[in-house]
Amino acid sequence: QSVVSQPPSASGTPGQRVTIACSGSSSNIGSHSANWYQQVPGTAPKLLIYSNHKRPSGVPGRFSGSKSGTSASLAISGLQSEDEAIYHCGAWDDSLNAWVFGGGTKVTVL
Amino acid sequence: QVQLQESGPGLVKPSQTLSLTCAVSGGAITTDNFYWSWFRQPAGKGLQWIGRVYFSGNTKYNPSLKNRVTMSVDPSKNQFSLRLTSVTAADTAVYYCVREGMITFGGVITDDWFDPWGQGTLVIVSS
Repeated sequence: QSVVSQPPSASGTPGQRVTIACSGSSSNIGSHSANWYQQVPGTAPKLLIYSNHKRPSGVPGRFSGSKSGTSASLAISGLQSEDEAIYHCGAWDDSLNAWVFGGGTKVTVL
Repeated sequence: QVQLQESGPGLVKPSQTLSLTCAVSGGAITTDNFYWSWFRQPAGKGLQWIGRVYFSGNTKYNPSLKNRVTMSVDPSKNQFSLRLTSVTAADTAVYYCVREGMITFGGVITDDWFDPWGQGTLVIVSS
């Protein structure tokens, strides 16, 4: 069982807003920034959000991140078919002295 | 644009040592404020951080892998490596090499992230 938890799946129709929650604890998300990665099945993960809410160059503005307490969230506004992927959240954990990740959330565009 | 490429055997026998190399192109492995990390991902599961190495040779490993992991850097070849000893079927996974970028303040890492990722290489542990 992951130290950081995410729902296994989420879905929406094109144009909808989808939100994914990432629940941690005081030793990880509560003390450090959360990052989000997008992984299209069969390919390597790609950095989507870093430092809780920052977007790397090239990441569309419909992706946004936030953090409150020991939880982080990823929102996809204006869902598009190419957004079908698995989304992973991760943060450093002071207790485990290691990076920890959620199990990933598979987003399906209906 | 920095690119990473993993290489190594795709099949390793149980109890033997898994060895992978990551070639870095488009940038120097000796650049400040970048660590070089390894991840793995068993089929259908999440990401597991294995550890990281700095160009100076400084390392940090995931305690869950105990004393089985060793990482090293070869600046002359602009590459870094992973060794995992005493492998079992539970070590079967896609292995990724990744660059870890960071922001520091007063020598303390305040933010860090993983980008870019190599394409990954599947390693199967089986006799």
